[in-house]
Amino acid sequence: AQKITQTQPGMFVQEKEAVTLDCTYDTSDPSYGLFWYKQPSSGEMIFLIYQGSYDQQNATEGRYSLNFQKARKSANLVISASQLGDSAMYFCAMTLSRGDTGRRALTFGSGTRLQVQP
Amino acid sequence: DTGVSQNPRHKITKRGQNVTFRCDPISEHNRLYWYRQTLGQGPEFLTYFQNEAQLEKSRLLSDRFSAERPKGSFSTLEIQRTEQGDSAMYLCASSTTRDSKNNYGYTFGSGTRLTVV
Repeated sequence: AQKITQTQPGMFVQEKEAVTLDCTYDTSDPSYGLFWYKQPSSGEMIFLIYQGSYDQQNATEGRYSLNFQKARKSANLVISASQLGDSAMYFCAMTLSRGDTGRRALTFGSGTRLQVQP
Repeated sequence: DTGVSQNPRHKITKRGQNVTFRCDPISEHNRLYWYRQTLGQGPEFLTYFQNEAQLEKSRLLSDRFSAERPKGSFSTLEIQRTEQGDSAMYLCASSTTRDSKNNYGYTFGSGTRLTVV
């Protein structure tokens, strides 16, 4: 079974600074996908970024980048130039890929609450 | 398409009552997932459907829980004889079995928040 670990229950960052949210994962399956989601107080899970286990380059999406270190089984999220609107819960998640049957359900970590200070 | 829709947004019920939640996925998505999220925790997988077939159920899904997707479109999650421990946010998500350019396959609804008093 796969497992996601997020060791930072809460993080503070000053507006306009960069912040790194940690995520480690555990699976023996060679084919998997890693996700980061943002969950504001409204409850909706907002997709941020995706990294496939066979992707050669680290994923980037605007101000979000994923620092993927496969040997260490880590997939840290880096948010550059933090904004007040970035204050939310952030979840790391993974799923196993099953070829033509597609992905299975997501396994989530316990989350990190990010607070951006003015 | 307006995304994944969940109803109701909030539900308050007395202990022992039955409740039912509804999820309407994105129309072209053939997979539908239910998750439960308690306060301060990440979502936990409950069950998923491919079309109308329920392919996997978590151990979290006790006998009091039942989910259906009768025509492969919307889904319902019913909790019988609710307990205070059932208080949580119930999230629905949908996806296709093909990789998607958007969200890499998963779209979540806004959830149904259940409070059992």
